[in-house]
Amino acid sequence: IQLTQSPSSLSASVGDRVTITCRASQGISSYLAWYQQKPGKAPKLLIYAASTLQSGVPSRFSGSGSGTDFTLTISSLQPEDFATYYCQQLNSYPLTFGPGTKVDIK
Amino acid sequence: QLQLQESGPGLVKPSETLSLTCTVSGGSISSSTYYWGWIRQPPGKGLEWIGTFYYSGSTYYNPSLKSRVTISVDTSKNQFSLKLSSVTAADTAVYYCARLINWGYSTSRFDYWGQGTLVTVSS
Repeated sequence: IQLTQSPSSLSASVGDRVTITCRASQGISSYLAWYQQKPGKAPKLLIYAASTLQSGVPSRFSGSGSGTDFTLTISSLQPEDFATYYCQQLNSYPLTFGPGTKVDIK
Repeated sequence: QLQLQESGPGLVKPSETLSLTCTVSGGSISSSTYYWGWIRQPPGKGLEWIGTFYYSGSTYYNPSLKSRVTISVDTSKNQFSLKLSSVTAADTAVYYCARLINWGYSTSRFDYWGQGTLVTVSS
């Protein structure tokens, strides 16, 4: 199952609402997770089951979608949110990740 | 608090075998709740799943690497290992170990990751 993400990169300002889209090549129900990765660090789990917030993750992060189309939304971008975001499907092997969306400062 | 730590050589020669170990602390690798896996990331690129295993012996590998990959477990040391044979420069990457929870359910996810270790393939 191939995952595409759009946009591949975006520039935004603190306080902006940011939406990242992930599309699967076939239906994956809600078997989707989102990760945040900062330079030199391991990925950090943000969202699983498409819309469930991982414990400890700020509520400004939210996820939605089912089937083939998913979104990650940051309601009000904070300085610590500048990072690369990856979606991952866990519906079937081989597990696959999207190519990533880099969010940087405008 | 669960912690995972990768270890192994940072430099491997082409055609040789890359060997890494992930040591798990703060939890048992033999727990029936979890799977464990390896993921890698070439410099400046995205994430690639390498393989996943269950402590009882079930293993699943990325088809693109399957002929060269072996994941094994040492429950007595609470460790699991990755071996990747016949490496080339294309295998240069940061290698992560991670815990996979709830495999088979929509709530499945990699919830704990090691810090990662850079392995460079070069003569």
